[in-house]
Amino acid sequence: DQQVKQNSPSLSVQEGRISILNCDYTNSMFDYFLWYKKYPAEGPTFLISISSIKDKNEDGRFTVFLNKSAKHLSLHIVPSQPGDSAVYFCAASSSNYQLIWGAGTKLIIKP
Amino acid sequence: NAGVTQTPKFQVLKTGQSMTLQCAQDMNHNSMYWYRQDPGMGLRLIYYSASEGTTDKGEVPNGYNVSRLNKREFSLRLESAAPSQTSVYFCASGVGTQYFGPGTRLLVL
Repeated sequence: DQQVKQNSPSLSVQEGRISILNCDYTNSMFDYFLWYKKYPAEGPTFLISISSIKDKNEDGRFTVFLNKSAKHLSLHIVPSQPGDSAVYFCAASSSNYQLIWGAGTKLIIKP
Repeated sequence: NAGVTQTPKFQVLKTGQSMTLQCAQDMNHNSMYWYRQDPGMGLRLIYYSASEGTTDKGEVPNGYNVSRLNKREFSLRLESAAPSQTSVYFCASGVGTQYFGPGTRLLVL
């Protein structure tokens, strides 16, 4: 039973355009959500997070949106750059310790 | 400031062999974690340690043991490796936001 789902295994976007990565969750007790970026042969790197008391958080080119009623969050990257090509994971937590992870979306930025 | 370090980077084992994966962090975090990542899946929590002296099972603890040696170090032991334990293992530390090491790629033949 997957509590956090990333339904798109891959996404291809033109350089300079917007990349939108999606994540759905089922557990209404989740109160903290994170996005991580992962390059091959490296560990995941924290990108941006959002608390359930907010519906938007922005950090430079990255914005995360949270729709609690739909149990949906999304990551927007504007403008997309070649260095953004990576696997993106969303994760959710209802405690300070355990993160529940989605399966990841591979983002490919085309020049 | 190295963050989270893991050794070894890569290991090949035969079925039944044992090994210990080492992890250390220099961020003064109380909480540390061990995950495995398999193709097409997200990270799955094996064990975690909320503070020095405590450890708890995660989602997939069978076949593994852990030791929280001190605040900095958290090791993962495979007592009798099986091919199903072929995976990439990540150590992390932190509360809320977790910070990851570079991973250990383990192949069990």
